[in-house]
Amino acid sequence: GDSVTQMEGPVTLSEEAFLTINCTYTATGYPSLFWYVQYPGEGLQLLLKATKADDKGSNKGFEATYRKETTSFHLEKGSVQVSDSAVYFCALSRAGNNRKLIWGLGTSLAVNP
Amino acid sequence: EAGVTQFPSHSVIEKGQTVTLRCDPISGHDNLYWYRRVMGKEIKFLLHFVKESKQDESGMPNNRFLAERTGGTYSTLKVQPAELEDSGVYFCASSQENTRGGYTFGSGTRLTVV
Repeated sequence: GDSVTQMEGPVTLSEEAFLTINCTYTATGYPSLFWYVQYPGEGLQLLLKATKADDKGSNKGFEATYRKETTSFHLEKGSVQVSDSAVYFCALSRAGNNRKLIWGLGTSLAVNP
Repeated sequence: EAGVTQFPSHSVIEKGQTVTLRCDPISGHDNLYWYRRVMGKEIKFLLHFVKESKQDESGMPNNRFLAERTGGTYSTLKVQPAELEDSGVYFCASSQENTRGGYTFGSGTRLTVV
């Protein structure tokens, strides 16, 4: 069945460091891919998405490119801030009427000043 | 616009008791989803409503879980009787039509069964 694999955390970085959180997926067809973020004490928020191969999603300085050849959707940011400390979730949704999300385990990021 | 509202935010109950979680979606959103995250595991889909109808309930763990969405507005998720393994964070999300995966989530209800 469909699945999402994320790199395990926690990840601890210093402010202004480069961030990569790896995400790979297994799915039939052409799923849409997502990164969600959960800040402390808050709900899940959509960070960015990509709906077809080679699409790049971007938001708040974060980017991820839909790579079908490597079935990956790695999250990157060039310079993290303390305010980026959160849990990041990679997820997919298959085509068709079934819009449910299949999730990775989540990666906790802590950014130190 | 108001977001997705869930309550209570936290609930601690004893094994064998009943708990009802509520979700108020964004007004006008026909699609409503319930998800659950058990500690240390990935978020899992529970079920999907389109208006008042259950579109997909394949993720419901067992018959101790009952979800309703009367009138196609708010939804409730009842757990009766609760077991220890039901502990986790229950998320609700809503979307308009044709929004594949781009939902708006509530803040979740953290359920602890002791």
